[in-house]
This record gives sequence, structure tokens and C-alpha cells, in this order.
Amino acid sequence: ETGVTQTPRHLVMGMTNKKSLKCEQHLGHNAMYWYKQSAKKPLELMFVYNFKEQTENNSVPSRFSPECPNSSHLFLHLHTLQPEDSALYLCASSQDGAHYSNQPQHFGDGTRLSIL
Amino acid sequence: ILNVEQSPQSLHVQEGDSTNFTCSFPSSNFYALHWYRWETAKSPEALFVMTLNGDEKKKGRISATLNTKEGYSYLYIKGSQPEDSATYLCAFGGGSNYKLTFGKGTLLTVNP
Repeated sequence: ETGVTQTPRHLVMGMTNKKSLKCEQHLGHNAMYWYKQSAKKPLELMFVYNFKEQTENNSVPSRFSPECPNSSHLFLHLHTLQPEDSALYLCASSQDGAHYSNQPQHFGDGTRLSIL
Repeated sequence: ILNVEQSPQSLHVQEGDSTNFTCSFPSSNFYALHWYRWETAKSPEALFVMTLNGDEKKKGRISATLNTKEGYSYLYIKGSQPEDSATYLCAFGGGSNYKLTFGKGTLLTVNP
């Protein structure tokens, strides 16, 4: 399997639930990203990991907790989310994150999250 | 907050037409400009990454130009086909921390 794989594709959860989104890349990349896309808004960067170290937290609320156990896997742990957190969550990877803005990013298909 | 604007917001063309759209971005602290193609129910796919003023890149019928001094990039599609229907995103890399800032995209629909 190649590319960036995200699971689950769809997730419905209540505000008191705890769930996790998973991302896996088979491209040998060293940088991984979480993005959020809300309706009628542009893609918004949430977190960046480079060589398993978090290098960017774009003022994301603590109810979103990322984890990067190795360069191939990235998780987003969710707890006590709010209805406004309903969105498409995309994972991406690139070769490395040192100057990641000059490298193409490879995206997964995303997880469509709905908060009841 | 960095401002990345794409126009038009949406566009309908007939098969065979050529078309273009614009991405505007800050003209200072520029590092890179990305274009992505995002088909419905699929993942965004990188088209081009451009870093030099005056860059022109081409991939099949799609090409892009870059003007970093005035802060704009054009994406051109020659002889549009229905399979070109997608949202085209641009992203500006630069500013104080080089992170990518995306525009809202241009939704292209090519009618057969």
C-alpha cells in the first residue's frame, strides 16, 4: 500500500466521547501534518511533526491532542469536542519539515467528523 | 494573519475551453507557492510548487506562472476536459514561520 491512509473515513461522536483519528504514510517522509477544513473556510494547519517532534501547534484547543509515535504514524486524539469542531480533518506528509513550505504535501482522503 | 485570495470562487466552462484562475498572496517574505487539485471525495493532489519569481511550470494541459514581486500566480488549463472538474487550491509558504496558508480554492466545473 502506498500514499497516505486515514481512518476512519467518517466519525460521529457525542461531545463527551473520546475517539482517535489515525494517519499512516508509506512514502518514507519525515514530516506529517494535521489540517482542518470547516465548511466555506480554507484548509487550516493544526499541527506539524518533523522527525517525530512537534514543530508547530497553530493555537489549537487542548481538546485536540496529537501523537506521533514514529515518522510513519500520526494520531489525533479527540475528547470533549464541541459542535463547531465538526469538519473534515486531513492528514498530510512531506519529505521533511525543516523548510516544508517548499515541498509538495501528500494528503490522505480525510476523516469527516460530526459532533452531536 | 496572512491573506491568500483565489478568484474566481467558482467557474463553469464548456469542454474544450481554455481557462485560468488567480491566486493572490503577500509579496513580502515569500518562500514558495503551491497549487493543488482536489477532486470531490478524493485527496488533494499536488500540481506545482514554485519558488522563483518568473517561474513557469507545466504538467500536461495545466501550467502555472508566478510573480512574487506583485504577489500573484496564475493557473491555466488548456482545452478543459470534464475530468478537470475539481477545486484548485493555492497555498502560500512564507511569512514569519514559513507555514503554508491556503486559499479557499476555485471550483471548476467542465461541462461535456
